Amino acid sequence: DQQVKQNSPSLSVQEGRISILNCDYTNSMFDYFLWYKKYPAEGPTFLISISSIKDKNEDGRFTVFLNKSAKHLSLHIVPSQPGDSAVYFCAAGGYTGNQFYFGTGTSLTVIP
Amino acid sequence: DTGVSQDPRHKITKRGQNVTFRCDPISEHNRLYWYRQTLGQGPEFLTYFQNEAQLEKSRLLSDRFSAERPKGSFSTLEIQRTEQGDSAMYLCASSPTQGNTIYFGEGSWLTVV
Repeated sequence: DQQVKQNSPSLSVQEGRISILNCDYTNSMFDYFLWYKKYPAEGPTFLISISSIKDKNEDGRFTVFLNKSAKHLSLHIVPSQPGDSAVYFCAAGGYTGNQFYFGTGTSLTVIP
Repeated sequence: DTGVSQDPRHKITKRGQNVTFRCDPISEHNRLYWYRQTLGQGPEFLTYFQNEAQLEKSRLLSDRFSAERPKGSFSTLEIQRTEQGDSAMYLCASSPTQGNTIYFGEGSWLTVV
């Protein structure tokens, strides 16, 4: 039961352009969402989060948008940099934080 | 704040042996989680603790898997009678309170040969 889906396994973007990574979820009880970045052989690094009371959260070059009616969230990276090349995971869960469900990840390549 | 620490980072073991992984959470984080990640997949929740209490363990993969957090600080994850299918990265994470972000360690790679 894949409750969180990232349907694009990979994405390539030119340096300086916008990267948009998408994530869909099925459980309407989810009300807290996170994005992580992962390099090979390392643990995921937290990037940005959003709770269901908001529809947008910004942190520097990273913005997360949440569309609750569509059960969809997206991560925008502007401008994209070569160091952003990594696998990005979205995660969803309840605000109680008992457990989070992760998508299968999107591998982002930023081309210099 | 030294981050979540996991040990060992890599473990190669023969099928049928037992292995134990240790996790030291960020200090003062009372919630601790174990996840597993295999190639091409996202992290998969296994279990979590609030202080020393294991509040969710139904997602542990089999009765060969067990976890402890005896004093509410570090935790151990043990896999008994390892199988080749147990080969994966085992991730530990911690968070300070309900609903907050979880922070992962570097992971412990297990290879069962």
